[in-house]
Amino acid sequence: GAGVSQTPSNKVTEKGKYVELRCDPISGHTALYWYRQSLGQGPEFLIYFQGTGAADDSGLPNDRFFAVRPEGSVSTLKIQRTERGDSAVYLCASRSTSGTGELFFGEGSRLTVL
Amino acid sequence: KQEVTQIPAALSVPEGENLVLNCSFTDSAIYNLQWFRQDPGKGLTSLLLIQSSQREQTSGRLNASLDKSSGRSTLYIAASQPGDSATYLCAVTGNQFYFGTGTSLTVIP
Repeated sequence: GAGVSQTPSNKVTEKGKYVELRCDPISGHTALYWYRQSLGQGPEFLIYFQGTGAADDSGLPNDRFFAVRPEGSVSTLKIQRTERGDSAVYLCASRSTSGTGELFFGEGSRLTVL
Repeated sequence: KQEVTQIPAALSVPEGENLVLNCSFTDSAIYNLQWFRQDPGKGLTSLLLIQSSQREQTSGRLNASLDKSSGRSTLYIAASQPGDSATYLCAVTGNQFYFGTGTSLTVIP
């Protein structure tokens, strides 16, 4: 696609529920990143994929968070047993590993856990 | 771990002024440095990318410089306009991208 696409743009859920957030990167971009951003803060790294594999998942806060990218394109961030502290904007970004390495972001998915 | 700091946290200037935003980082072993703009409730828009072998990049009224040895980058905005009001974030690339907390800029008409 022309840009990084994230769905849903907004998600309101209840504490304890399961949530999936989807990211469709720019076509041909092999590197995909998930970040989390709280109000007034910079993006916080969660996980980085190179192709289908998670090259670095050191930013995932705990085992309730999991992400997949089975075909090396679309990625899904999965959050189990959501907590109020998970409320944030979840940002996805992609970049080509050739060329300049410029990072491109989607508009984000705003998650609110009640 | 790489630490990125942006100063000032907030800045308010009258329209037409030139201004400088600062970004500092603790580990000089970086690949790239990228400046982004973020409008309220929106994602990040890439403004400029400086590769580690470069010293500066320019796009329109924006000029970004990079001094790896001192761990610093500046974003210069010439002739500021109210439409420049946004949060500006810098990110440095090692194995991943490390972000500062941003500078919130308000340009007063």
